[in-house]
Amino acid sequence: EPEVTQTPSHQVTQMGQEVILRCVPISNHLYFYWYRQILGQKVEFLVSFYNNEISEKSEIFDDQFSVERPDGSNFTLKIRSTKLEDSAMYFCASTKSDSYEQYFGPGTRLTVT
Amino acid sequence: AQTVTQSQPEMSVQEAETVTLSCTYDTSESDYYLFWYKQPPSRQMILVIRQEAYKQQNATENRFSVNFQKAAKSFSLKISDSQLGDAAMYFCAYSSNDYKLSFGAGTTVTVRA
Repeated sequence: EPEVTQTPSHQVTQMGQEVILRCVPISNHLYFYWYRQILGQKVEFLVSFYNNEISEKSEIFDDQFSVERPDGSNFTLKIRSTKLEDSAMYFCASTKSDSYEQYFGPGTRLTVT
Repeated sequence: AQTVTQSQPEMSVQEAETVTLSCTYDTSESDYYLFWYKQPPSRQMILVIRQEAYKQQNATENRFSVNFQKAAKSFSLKISDSQLGDAAMYFCAYSSNDYKLSFGAGTTVTVRA
């Protein structure tokens, strides 16, 4: 069964450094999402992406964040200058155009020291 | 903005017994979807069950069923014949025309052997 994959599974970085989290959505899916979950808290929407542009973003998704679909398969989330409070689990998800059902990747645990 | 409320931070159930998790939501939309996701210690987000708001019949998936009360904006999850593998955090989630998911704070389910 097709699945969403994410790399790396765990990323440790120093405050102020740039990180890129990678996702490979399911191949025939058209909508892509990033969510964040700070340890012990609920999952929060960051951004949705469709037709090579951002559809919607939350207030969390400030100028430090960007998303890109550099080729036909990858979907990336970049944080330009990481802060301690960016430490969280980051989930990528995708969905077909005619379905509300989102398929989640296994997540990338980001630790900022 | 839509809000999803899970009022039970923790629930405990004896193996083979039944447990019900509550969820309420706030929306002005008439067409939307509701979901329950399971998050085990691995932190993977696993879709348990979904309900379309236009359907009056409650969704069921094996031992999992929902009680959807549209007028009351309530969407509870019942786990029957609880198994040790059901122990996890359970999140209620809402989605509408913008496709993004809004999650509740989660309920931790503990299963006693």
